[in-house]
Amino acid sequence: DQQVKQNSPSLSVQEGRISILNCDYTNSMFDYFLWYKKYPAEGPTFLISISSIKDKNEDGRFTVFLNKSAKHLSLHIVPSQPGDSAVYFCAASEGNQGGKLIFGQGTELSVKP
Amino acid sequence: EAGVTQSPTHLIKTRGQQATLRCSPISGHTSVYWYQQALGLGLQFLLWYDEGEERNRGNFPPRFSGRQFPNYSSELNVNALELEDSALYLCASTPSAGGHTEAFFGQGTRLTVV
Repeated sequence: DQQVKQNSPSLSVQEGRISILNCDYTNSMFDYFLWYKKYPAEGPTFLISISSIKDKNEDGRFTVFLNKSAKHLSLHIVPSQPGDSAVYFCAASEGNQGGKLIFGQGTELSVKP
Repeated sequence: EAGVTQSPTHLIKTRGQQATLRCSPISGHTSVYWYQQALGLGLQFLLWYDEGEERNRGNFPPRFSGRQFPNYSSELNVNALELEDSALYLCASTPSAGGHTEAFFGQGTRLTVV
């Protein structure tokens, strides 16, 4: 039972353009969502998060959008840079579960110069 | 400030043996989480420890166990290793068990079972 899904295993974008990574979830009890970035042979690095009481959170080039009715969130990266090439994981948590996270399968982003 | 540290970086074991993986959380963090990332898959939640107690465990057999020490460091033990246990094991920590906060991850231990 995959509660968090990232249906696109990979995404290729030209440098300077927008990257949009998508994530869907099924558990309506999730109330906090996060995006992590992971390079090979390294642990995931936190990027940005959003609470379920918001529909948008922005941090520099990164913006996360949450559509609760559709149980969908997306990460926008503008403008994309070659250094953004990595695997991106979305994750979700419930209020009484501390930092326990349920992860999607990941999307490998490749930003070409 | 040191991040989450894990040891060893790589571990090779034979099927049926036991593996012990170690994790030191960020100073001041009391909660430790363990995740498994098998090849081509996302991170699967394994175990959560806080203040020395197991708070939650994922859908893994009992041969996956662990503990948290008084200094908040943690061990993950995998008994009777099977080939499919080969994976990257990641440890993460948070300041406390309550509320929402991002988890900080270590670099992982690559376990290979042959």
